Amino acid sequence: EPEVTQTPSHQVTQMGQEVILRCVPISNHLYFYWYRQILGQKVEFLVSFYNNEISEKSEIFDDQFSVERPDGSNFTLKIRSTKLEDSAMYFCASSEAPENYGYTFGSGTRLTVV
Amino acid sequence: QKEVEQNSGPLSVPEGAIASLNCTYSDRGSQSFFWYRQYSGKSPELIMFIYSNGDKEDGRFTAQLNKASQYVSLLIRDSQPSDSATYLCAVASNQAGTALIFGKGTTLSVSS
Repeated sequence: EPEVTQTPSHQVTQMGQEVILRCVPISNHLYFYWYRQILGQKVEFLVSFYNNEISEKSEIFDDQFSVERPDGSNFTLKIRSTKLEDSAMYFCASSEAPENYGYTFGSGTRLTVV
Repeated sequence: QKEVEQNSGPLSVPEGAIASLNCTYSDRGSQSFFWYRQYSGKSPELIMFIYSNGDKEDGRFTAQLNKASQYVSLLIRDSQPSDSATYLCAVASNQAGTALIFGKGTTLSVSS
């Protein structure tokens, strides 16, 4: 079964450093997303991406965050200057047609900011 | 602020019983509703989606939607210990479904 692949599975970074989280969506999917889940809390929407541009973003997705699809397969989330409160599990997801099918999540990257 | 509310549980049922999980949402204009299962330390996994009022069945799972009451539920028949997980209700925040609002989830424990 096709899957969304995320790397790395765990990243530890120092406060103030930049991190890039990587995702390879399912190949025929057109919509890509990043969500995060702080330990013990709900899954929160960050951003959706379609046709090489952001289609929607939440208030969490401020200027320290950016997304990019640098080639035909990867989808990245960059956090420019990490804060302690950025520590969370970050999930990438992709969908063929979200209004009809929902979407498939990757296994996640656990980001720990120290 | 659009909200999705779930009872956090834990909900404990014996093996073979029916587990009933409930969810309410605040945005009356919501169109698409999803149930995800999340095992501890893992990513959410889509179980079912529902758009129309009424029931939708898929194997041991039945989703129920009542838009007038802004209420979604998930029934799991013949519950198994492997069903023990956190069940997340999610509501699309727009018609395109490109952003989901999740509830905190209900933890289900099925005892053998």
